[in-house]
Amino acid sequence: DGGITQSPKYLFRKEGQNVTLSCEQNLNHDAMYWYRQDPGQGLRLIYYSQIVNDFQKGDIAEGYSVSREKKESFPLTVTSAQKNPTAFYLCASRLTGGLETQYFGPGTRLLVL
Amino acid sequence: RKEVEQDPGPFNVPEGATVAFNCTYSNSASQSFFWYRQDCRKEPKLLMSVYSSGNEDGRFTAQLNRASQYISLLIRDSKLSDSATYLCVAHNNAGNMLTFGGGTRLMVKP
Repeated sequence: DGGITQSPKYLFRKEGQNVTLSCEQNLNHDAMYWYRQDPGQGLRLIYYSQIVNDFQKGDIAEGYSVSREKKESFPLTVTSAQKNPTAFYLCASRLTGGLETQYFGPGTRLLVL
Repeated sequence: RKEVEQDPGPFNVPEGATVAFNCTYSNSASQSFFWYRQDCRKEPKLLMSVYSSGNEDGRFTAQLNRASQYISLLIRDSKLSDSATYLCVAHNNAGNMLTFGGGTRLMVKP
């Protein structure tokens, strides 16, 4: 099946720990995105990448890091510098150029122990 | 001012009612628009694309007014299953970026 997968569905982080959220797509999309969503709030852009080996900060990049070594994969690391990481994290991808929109993965819910 | 603004609601309507949401955008360079539906604790899913003046799909109609810079979503004959949050999205082709509104929550009651 074609689509975007995120794992794990739920993730628990201890104080001072770095954790990595996985995002994989087999849609041959060029661009990939990470968003954070807090309860009852809209989406906030963390990082995005429009091409392999290149990525840009979004509106709330502090405390997060990403890599884009392969077209299919865009993992997000939540570092210990992110003091309030509890949220719903959504990965998305799209074809660049034209009028295409984004498609989302099922999300990862991160909780702090 | 936010680039894409929506009334957060909630809109509480009875089954069978017609309900409309508006969304305003500030970037006049935006060329295409989308409505997404997001159920509680789930990812947003594409509902409709709006490239020209409007689009219709069954009970759902989206309209675009470029002069006034707003997009609307009309839902006719509301169903209980329409209860969700509806996100408005503007695409700026020049920057190749999508900007999401904060969402409008709809609750359809029996």
